[in-house]
Amino acid sequence: AQKVTQAQTEISVVEKEDVTLDCVYETRDTTYYLFWYKQPPSGELVFLIRRNSFDEQNEISGRYSWNFQKSTSSFNFTITASQVVDSAVYFCALSEAQGQNFVFGPGTRLSVLP
Amino acid sequence: DAGVTQSPTHLIKTRGQQVTLRCSPKSGHDTVSWYQQALGQGPQFIFQYYEEEERQRGNFPDRFSGHQFPNYSSELNVNALLLGDSALYLCASSLILEGARTEAFFGQGTRLTVV
Repeated sequence: AQKVTQAQTEISVVEKEDVTLDCVYETRDTTYYLFWYKQPPSGELVFLIRRNSFDEQNEISGRYSWNFQKSTSSFNFTITASQVVDSAVYFCALSEAQGQNFVFGPGTRLSVLP
Repeated sequence: DAGVTQSPTHLIKTRGQQVTLRCSPKSGHDTVSWYQQALGQGPQFIFQYYEEEERQRGNFPDRFSGHQFPNYSSELNVNALLLGDSALYLCASSLILEGARTEAFFGQGTRLTVV
């Protein structure tokens, strides 16, 4: 069975600090996709990043970066120079195929204080 | 280009009643998935519709049923409502393109309160 764990329930940082959100996943599939979504108070899940199991190359996209390590089944997400608008709940998710059903973690609530 | 739209945005129902939630997928998308998100938790997969048929289903009772119309829009029906059905219901749409599914886009959800 697939499972996603986000050990951090809530994180508070001061604006301009860097923050890393942790995600650990479990799956027996050899092909899978990992995602990070942001959920602001409006409720809509906003897609942030995606990684497939074939590619462990870590990348930076603007203020976002991620660290995918298959050896430890982790997919951590970092926001550099955090801003107040980054305050939201962040979900890590796993799917066996792109666009197929997601297994979500419990979420991490990030508060960025001015 | 309209994204995924859901209606209504908020709904209050009484235990035992039935409810229907609606979802219009992103333009061009042919697949709709429904998720239930209880307060303080991550979304849980209910089911997925493609070509007007239920293709995948999560661990939800038969009280939860759905439908997809020829225009790809979808409905989620919940019968015999329980207090525990109170949640945010999210719809996601995607498209099969060249044999693979595209990214899924989510709507803003319907907040259902059962009293």
